[in-house]
Amino acid sequence: DVKVTQSSRYLVKRTGEKVFLECVQDMDHENMFWYRQDPGLGLRLIYFSYDVKMKEKGDIPEGYSVSREKKERFSLILESASTNQTSMYLCASSLSRYEQYFGPGTRLTVT
Amino acid sequence: QKEVEQNSGPLSVPEGAIASLNCTYSDRGSQSFFWYRQYSGKSPELIMSIYSNGDKEDGRFTAQLNKASQYVSLLIRDSQPSDSATYLCAVYSGAGSYQLTFGKGTKLSVIP
Repeated sequence: DVKVTQSSRYLVKRTGEKVFLECVQDMDHENMFWYRQDPGLGLRLIYFSYDVKMKEKGDIPEGYSVSREKKERFSLILESASTNQTSMYLCASSLSRYEQYFGPGTRLTVT
Repeated sequence: QKEVEQNSGPLSVPEGAIASLNCTYSDRGSQSFFWYRQYSGKSPELIMSIYSNGDKEDGRFTAQLNKASQYVSLLIRDSQPSDSATYLCAVYSGAGSYQLTFGKGTKLSVIP
């Protein structure tokens, strides 16, 4: 079974803090993705990576950066958290252009 | 802008009935199609994938794809209360894109 894990299920941060969200997959997938999901807006892609040290912007990259130093690990960084970044953050991984498998999600609240 | 459209629902069906969930997509070059189930507060879980025209069955689930009509559907037979969830349709477009486009989901409620 594919396993995608995320570092926290719930996170509360203050405005202006730097926030790190980590994602690890154990299936040797080359592609990894970060999404956020908000009511009424659906799933929106923030960034994705198709190889180590490679990244591509998704639909809403502003205010976020990513890091992929190892194939199994993909980090999402909020350089200076703001209240409008309160959301559910979902990591996913895939092999080539096949199914994406999601982690359990991190519900981030920025106060 | 590639779009994937779903009726937001809620779709209510009685227990034991067939639930029919529909999805249309705008990019005629789309190659691969997926259905995810998402329980409230949880992450999406893949339940079906379909790549060619026709039907694909897996247990109580059947995915149907019609590329000419740009339409993909999910049928759930013998619906159970545990099927109550939001169902997301997702599509890979052509041209080597790695980006899945998701619909906003249809909320299904199975009434005991």
